Formats: sequence, structure tokens, C-alpha cells
Amino acid sequence: NAGVTQTPKFRILKIGQSMTLQCAQDMNHNYMYWYRQDPGMGLKLIYYSVGAGITDKGEVPNGYNVSRSTTEDFPLRLELAAPSQTSVYFCASSYQGPNEKLFFGSGTQLSVL
Amino acid sequence: AQTVTQSQPEMSVQEAETVTLSCTYDTSENNYYLFWYKQPPSRQMILVIRQEAYKQQNATENRFSVNFQKAAKSFSLKISDSQLGDTAMYFCALASGGSNYKLTFGKGTLLTVNP
Repeated sequence: NAGVTQTPKFRILKIGQSMTLQCAQDMNHNYMYWYRQDPGMGLKLIYYSVGAGITDKGEVPNGYNVSRSTTEDFPLRLELAAPSQTSVYFCASSYQGPNEKLFFGSGTQLSVL
Repeated sequence: AQTVTQSQPEMSVQEAETVTLSCTYDTSENNYYLFWYKQPPSRQMILVIRQEAYKQQNATENRFSVNFQKAAKSFSLKISDSQLGDTAMYFCALASGGSNYKLTFGKGTLLTVNP
């Protein structure tokens, strides 16, 4: 099993550009999450999904959008990138919820210049 | 609101020795779960240990064990026989919120194991 696969691993964007971070899991997990990790700040939840067709905002959703058309895929869209979105982004999944073990992707280092 | 506090930004330990990382938390829920996640230099987040609040017995996973003090809202991680591969950032996390669990992470403790 591949687990949780994130692409790309690194990306540099110019201010105002848009991009999509891809996330796929092959464990048939219901729950999927997007976190951002800023230096010294731990992980903050951007968006999450409890199943295909269902998404909800986390702590820091502004500037991002998500969709969940299939159980496997949970892409994160950045519109009009800003320097404040420079961060490491992690996708994660779990079967029933965040009270269980989360499986993480390897992260995407994003710089907005 | 729920909070997780890790008061030690950095720690170091000699190989083969024991080290304890501290974590305190706050939640108004009676049913919750606590975690320690490890993030080595490779950046991959890995679950180290999980504790269910209603279980009084402290969780253990090989060289990793916790000291769960529910009344004090404390959840420390003890690493025995430290190995060079234990060098990583360690995050304490709390999942609570009744039927709609939310997971909150602490800011992390950077542990360095010295040879």
C-alpha cells in the first residue's frame, strides 16, 4: 500500500498565482485532512472531509478551497497565493476520525514570493 | 476551546539514556484521546503512542511510554534507551469534542539524541 501520497513535494509560487496540492490515499479511509505547519507553531487544520462529497472548514481556511469527489482524493486549492501561505502542507487520513491514528503524507514545502 | 501546551521547545539526551517530554492540555470534555506524534528530519509524521482518557493504564509502545495524569491534565512521554533515530520533533496532540472530534497539536519539542 502506498498510504497517503502528496504531490508536489516542493513548489515556489509568485504572489497572485494559483495551484492545487494533490492528495490521494489507498486505505479506504473516510476522513481526510489538510494541515499547515509553520515554524514553531505546530499543525493547524485547514479543511477536513468525513466522506466523499462532504467537506468542512478547520481553524485556518481563508485563502483555500477543497473538494472531495471520491473517497481516495482530497485536493487543496490555493487561489491568489500570498506570502502568508508560505508553509509546509500535510495531507492526512484516518478511518473513523481524528480520535484514531492519522496517516500522514510526506508534505509539500510551498514558498510564495 | 481545547489547548495543548509543550513547554520545552528543545531537549537533548545522550544515547542509551532516558528522557521525558512534557505536555499539558485543557479540555472540558470527559471523553478524549491523547497522542504523541514524531516528525524526524524526513518530515514524515508518525504516530508514537495513543492514550484513551477513560483508560487509567498508561500506554506503552516498546521503548516509549506515557505518564497520564488525568486530574493534572498532564501527558508526558518517556523514551527509554534513547537511540540516534529518536532525534525528531515530537508533537503532543489532543482529540476531543464529543461526537465531532477536533484534533489540536502542541507546538512541538525538538529532541536531539547525542552519540
